[in-house]
Amino acid sequence: KAGVTQTPRYLIKTRGQQVTLSCSPISGHRSVSWYQQTPGQGLQFLFEYFSETQRNKGNFPGRFSGRQFSNSRSEMNVSTLELGDSALYLCASSIDGADTEAFFGQGTRLTVV
Amino acid sequence: GNSVTQMEGPVTLSEEAFLTINCTYTATGYPSLFWYVQYPGEGLQLLLKATKADDKGSNKGFEATYRKETTSFHLEKGSVQVSDSAVYFCALSDQGANNLFFGTGTRLTVIP
Repeated sequence: KAGVTQTPRYLIKTRGQQVTLSCSPISGHRSVSWYQQTPGQGLQFLFEYFSETQRNKGNFPGRFSGRQFSNSRSEMNVSTLELGDSALYLCASSIDGADTEAFFGQGTRLTVV
Repeated sequence: GNSVTQMEGPVTLSEEAFLTINCTYTATGYPSLFWYVQYPGEGLQLLLKATKADDKGSNKGFEATYRKETTSFHLEKGSVQVSDSAVYFCALSDQGANNLFFGTGTRLTVIP
C-alpha cells in the first residue's frame, strides 16, 4: 500500500512569507504528527492530529499551526517565516496514535532566504 | 520531562565489526522505546521497539533491551554491513507511537 506522502519535497521561501506543507497518511491511519529536523536541534515534535483535532502539541511558537481534514490528510502552516525555520519537516502517521508504530514520509525540505 | 540522550557520533566501523550505540532516557511513567533509522535522502524507518521493561526488540540483526533499572535502550549488532550505514535515532513515547521524543542521532559509516 502507498506510504506517507508529503508535498512538496522542496520549497524555498523568503523571510516574512508564509508556507503550507501537506501530508497524506497511509490509508486507514487517523493520527498524523509533524516533526521539525534541523542540524542544531535535531528532531522535534511539533503537533499531533487525530480525527481532525489537535491532540498533542510540542514547544513551538504560535506561528506554527496545523489542521487535519476528514480524510485524515493534514496540512502544516508556518507564518512570518524566519531564517531559523529552515529545516526538514517530517510527517508521520499511525493507525490511532496509541499503537506502537509510526510511519514517516520523506519530508519537505524548507529553505528560508 | 521526557528526554533522550544518545551517543555522539559519527561512528565509523569496518564491515563485520560489532556495533553498540548507547541510549539513555528520562521519562515520567513507563514509556515505549524505539530505534529509528534514516538512510540518505529518506525518511525515518522504525528499526525496532520495546514497550515494557526487559522487552527485547530485534530486527535485521539489530537488538536492544529495555532496561528500566539503568533507563537505557542500547542498540547492538554483532556484525555490521556496508548497507547499515545510516543515521540511527533513539526515541521514546509515553503517549503512543505518534508523539515521539528523539535523541540527537548517531551517524554510522561502515567501510568495506
